[in-house]
Amino acid sequence: DTGVSQNPRHKITKRGQNVTFRCDPISEHNRLYWYRQTLGQGPEFLTYFQNEAQLEKSRLLSDRFSAERPKGSFSTLEIQRTEQGDSAMYLCASSPYSTTNEKLFFGSGTQLSVL
Amino acid sequence: GQSLEQPSEVTAVEGAIVQINCTYQTSGFYGLSWYQQHDGGAPTFLSYNGLDGLEETGRFSSFLSRSDSYGYLLLQELQMKDSASYFCAVRDSPGYSSASKIIFGSGTRLSIRP
Repeated sequence: DTGVSQNPRHKITKRGQNVTFRCDPISEHNRLYWYRQTLGQGPEFLTYFQNEAQLEKSRLLSDRFSAERPKGSFSTLEIQRTEQGDSAMYLCASSPYSTTNEKLFFGSGTQLSVL
Repeated sequence: GQSLEQPSEVTAVEGAIVQINCTYQTSGFYGLSWYQQHDGGAPTFLSYNGLDGLEETGRFSSFLSRSDSYGYLLLQELQMKDSASYFCAVRDSPGYSSASKIIFGSGTRLSIRP
């Protein structure tokens, strides 16, 4: 068990550019979540996959955000035409399927700075 | 809307006991969890309550009252390393539901004084 891995750890980009982040979950976990966190706030839900199916997406998420999880393994989160308001820590979490106690395992995150 | 309310900051003395409260208002309720996050680190799972009552895990305990939409995290024998942010989180749909998600509160920053 190597934990949840996220790449890159830091990303600096100019406004208007596209960025893509990658998340490698714990191998036997079939659920994968993306969250966004700004300083002093809790993780804000973005989207959720069960295996390769994207089952839920936040209504707050603009069309500039898209996520994929091909083959139900790693996932990518792309932000198109970045804006300064997109600057945040992007966290990925995975968990095994459970109908009751669900424990999320978080990666260390990707810190995005949009200049 | 959906909301989870927690105090923004709590200060306590090393060796003491502290309670962090969480009240929630969500479209559905299928369990309350608590996570700890140190500065610069990732959130880590602490405890889960699916039914009313107290769950104990070492120095940490968590309580849930579904009728009051309320829970708390109790930290005993506080240590300096417990200085961190603590988040309550609610699952708003059954775990088998395709629309299920976990919503986090804005967090309580706990500072421990010697």
